[in-house]
Amino acid sequence: DAGVTQSPTHLIKTRGQQVTLRCSPKSGHDTVSWYQQALGQGPQFIFQYYEEEERQRGNFPDRFSGHQFPNYSSELNVNALLLGDSALYLCASSSGRAGRDQPQHFGDGTRLSIL
Amino acid sequence: GESVGLHLPTLSVQEGDNSIINCAYSNSASDYFIWYKQESGKGPQFIIDIRSNMDKRQGQRVTVLLNKTVKHLSLQIAATQPGDSAVYFCAETYNQGGKLIFGQGTELSVKP
Repeated sequence: DAGVTQSPTHLIKTRGQQVTLRCSPKSGHDTVSWYQQALGQGPQFIFQYYEEEERQRGNFPDRFSGHQFPNYSSELNVNALLLGDSALYLCASSSGRAGRDQPQHFGDGTRLSIL
Repeated sequence: GESVGLHLPTLSVQEGDNSIINCAYSNSASDYFIWYKQESGKGPQFIIDIRSNMDKRQGQRVTVLLNKTVKHLSLQIAATQPGDSAVYFCAETYNQGGKLIFGQGTELSVKP
């Protein structure tokens, strides 16, 4: 039973570039959430996707966008990269159909470094 | 407010001792809580969860206690092992499986 998988594991970009990160949810899960984790801090919620729609969004600018595909996998896109976007980007999946209060399960993240 | 904080609290325990990690959560409307363990270079790993209609829940070697009156959550780890060394985060949510708000995190160090 595969858990949440993310790719790539590491990425180096320069300011102003654009990046796409990918996530495959745990088998049986239909909801995907994205988080940004700066060094030494807890994860911060970016947005959540369910049924291919953005269901909820945190306090991140429009440069951060996403998509969910019919197979429940998801992408996070960040445009016009800034130095402050350097962080670990985490994907978490859960089951919306299993009812409320289902735990989110995390992948190991993509480490994004902006030069 | 939401999780901010640049310096992680640390807890150092001897192997075999019990550990207690505390967390103050922010929103009195939060009704579901989760503890995660994060090892270096990995994502947060689910440990145990608790709903707001409970005040205690036990798992294998772990117990979570919830005190809604003072908005406090604790994680107890029995017979702590070196493999328990990690950063532990509590997380809360108030909108049925949506956004998780993470606490500051506590770094647990287990001495053999």
